Amino acid sequence: GAGVSQTPSNKVTEKGKYVELRCDPISGHTALYWYRQSLGQGPEFLIYFQGTGAADDSGLPNDRFFAVRPEGSVSTLKIQRTERGDSAVYLCASSAPGETQYFGPGTRLLVL
Amino acid sequence: AQSVTQLGSHVSVSEGALVLLRCNYSSSVPPYLFWYVQYPNQGLQLLLKYTTGATLVKGINGFEAEFKKSETSFHLTKPSAHMSDAAEYFCAVRYSSASKIIFGSGTRLSIRP
Repeated sequence: GAGVSQTPSNKVTEKGKYVELRCDPISGHTALYWYRQSLGQGPEFLIYFQGTGAADDSGLPNDRFFAVRPEGSVSTLKIQRTERGDSAVYLCASSAPGETQYFGPGTRLLVL
Repeated sequence: AQSVTQLGSHVSVSEGALVLLRCNYSSSVPPYLFWYVQYPNQGLQLLLKYTTGATLVKGINGFEAEFKKSETSFHLTKPSAHMSDAAEYFCAVRYSSASKIIFGSGTRLSIRP
């Protein structure tokens, strides 16, 4: 079956621009997670959805970051006024309730 | 604060040698424990996990890990390294069945011919 997919695979933008990153979870997975992986580091948690609602957004670094999951399936991570420090690989994972998280290939974001 | 420490950012072993990647966590409550592998330009793949029960956990590709509560450790081992094992390995913990995963900083494993 299809795994977690993320689009685009690569995104280059200029400082100050707005970007949207998309995650398609595994069909039927109600839990969806976003992580950010900076170069040479392990992934860091950003936000967790259970269904349509954000159950834990404690990892969002500031109010420039926002994520939605309006129909409980696809999720979009939105970054406003991008900064060079936002450059990283953004990972999405999904799971059935309480089960193993399966990760997508990530979106590599480069802010110039 | 809850954290995961991986000793050694880079480990190099000869092909056929024992692989040992170290992981310690900080918690008074036993967490769920994981090892993930990341090959270049690929996503994270689950190697193995410990939730409850037997403390020696076997995973894919011949890897295994042992949960030692007294040492708050979950070291990853493989008896004989293969060239295809070269990758980045991440130890991780989760403190409830439906919560975020906390990752270590990773250990890059290199295999010498």
